[in-house]
Amino acid sequence: NAGVTQTPKFQVLKTGQSMTLQCAQDMNHNSMYWYRQDPGMGLRLIYYSASEGTTDKGEVPNGYNVSRLNKREFSLRLESAAPSQTSVYFCASSEDGWMTQYFGAGTRLSVL
Amino acid sequence: DQQVKQNSPSLSVQEGRISILNCDYTNSMFDYFLWYKKYPAEGPTFLISISSIKDKNEDGRFTVFLNKSAKHLSLHIVPSQPGDSAVYFCAAEDTGRRALTFGSGTRLQVQP
Repeated sequence: NAGVTQTPKFQVLKTGQSMTLQCAQDMNHNSMYWYRQDPGMGLRLIYYSASEGTTDKGEVPNGYNVSRLNKREFSLRLESAAPSQTSVYFCASSEDGWMTQYFGAGTRLSVL
Repeated sequence: DQQVKQNSPSLSVQEGRISILNCDYTNSMFDYFLWYKKYPAEGPTFLISISSIKDKNEDGRFTVFLNKSAKHLSLHIVPSQPGDSAVYFCAAEDTGRRALTFGSGTRLQVQP
């Protein structure tokens, strides 16, 4: 059972570079989410997709874009990476709404 | 302004004893609360939840208590086991929003 799969697991970028974090779920869930976790802070919501074809901003959307490619996949793009975006990024999905979310293992991103 | 606060960054208990993890919140619109558990290099996993219409929910060794008047909830683990050593996140949902607000986490270490 794969659940929620995130790629890559680790990434180092230089300031100004772009990259896309990939997320796929095989549980046929309607809703998907992107969070970031920084030291001493909880997970903060970047963007979410309540259903295929819709996306909405979360608490910290600046500097990011998302695409809900289909029901399975939800990608997060950094167009011009900044050191402040150094973080661990988690993708999650839920059957409907937000209640019990299933998380991927995370992507550790460093921006130099 | 953190709406969900876990004021104890860490907690150490002996195996077999009770672990009590605390969480305070400020937003009176929160009406559903969850605890997630996270091991290193893994994503958070759902542990237990409670609706605001209840004051207690049990699942095996895990019990969550909610005190709405004090805006406080706690997670009790009895008896604690070394495998419970992890970071525990408290999360809350407010009415009408499709998002969870997470606390900063408490690292529990259960000593054999």
